[in-house]
Amino acid sequence: GAVVSQHPSWVICKSGTSVKIECRSLDFQATTMFWYRQFPKQSLMLMATSNEGSKATYEQGVEKDKFLINHASLTLSTLTVTSAHPEDSSFYICSASGGGLAGETQYFGPGTRLLVL
Amino acid sequence: EDQVTQSPEALRLQEGESSSLNCSYTVSGLRGLFWYRQDPGKGPEFLFTLYSAGEEKEKERLKATLTKKESFLHITAPKPEDSATYLCAVQAGGDSSYKLIFGSGTRLLVRP
Repeated sequence: GAVVSQHPSWVICKSGTSVKIECRSLDFQATTMFWYRQFPKQSLMLMATSNEGSKATYEQGVEKDKFLINHASLTLSTLTVTSAHPEDSSFYICSASGGGLAGETQYFGPGTRLLVL
Repeated sequence: EDQVTQSPEALRLQEGESSSLNCSYTVSGLRGLFWYRQDPGKGPEFLFTLYSAGEEKEKERLKATLTKKESFLHITAPKPEDSATYLCAVQAGGDSSYKLIFGSGTRLLVRP
């Protein structure tokens, strides 16, 4: 149980193009989804938090217009990197949690590696 | 400011050599402390959640414990397949977003 998938697993694109990454919770309803990026040998950096049907909450320093997040259903969230540039190349990971009153476990997807040429 | 510090940064063990990883935290009201394992090029894999001081959880060769200031991940008789980066994270009680605050991780290498 608690499986989260991401698609695609890796993507190469040209500078200036947009890339969409999907995150799906396969066997549970995700009240909240989170998007992280991770640089080599570093820990995860939270980019934004999204709740189904609501606008995403972005962390300080993350450009809202560049990283568009949509959480249209309880099983799907998408991250679109608009007008991608080489500095956007990174490992993007999503996580999902079912919500509740106690500390809620986040289950992570396998990640998407983005390379912008 | 909520903060998580993990030590050591890297740890090399011989197969069968037991050891512990440390996670010290400062948080305004702990809602939960989480341990994850991350293999290279993959997303973190959930291991344990601890909610209150004194709590312990076990899974195979791993045992996680929690005090009011830190958590330990004990690895008993590790095998090479336990090699990975182990991440500790906390959820603050005053934060309604349920976001996690991660430590920088401990890279564990178990040699045969």
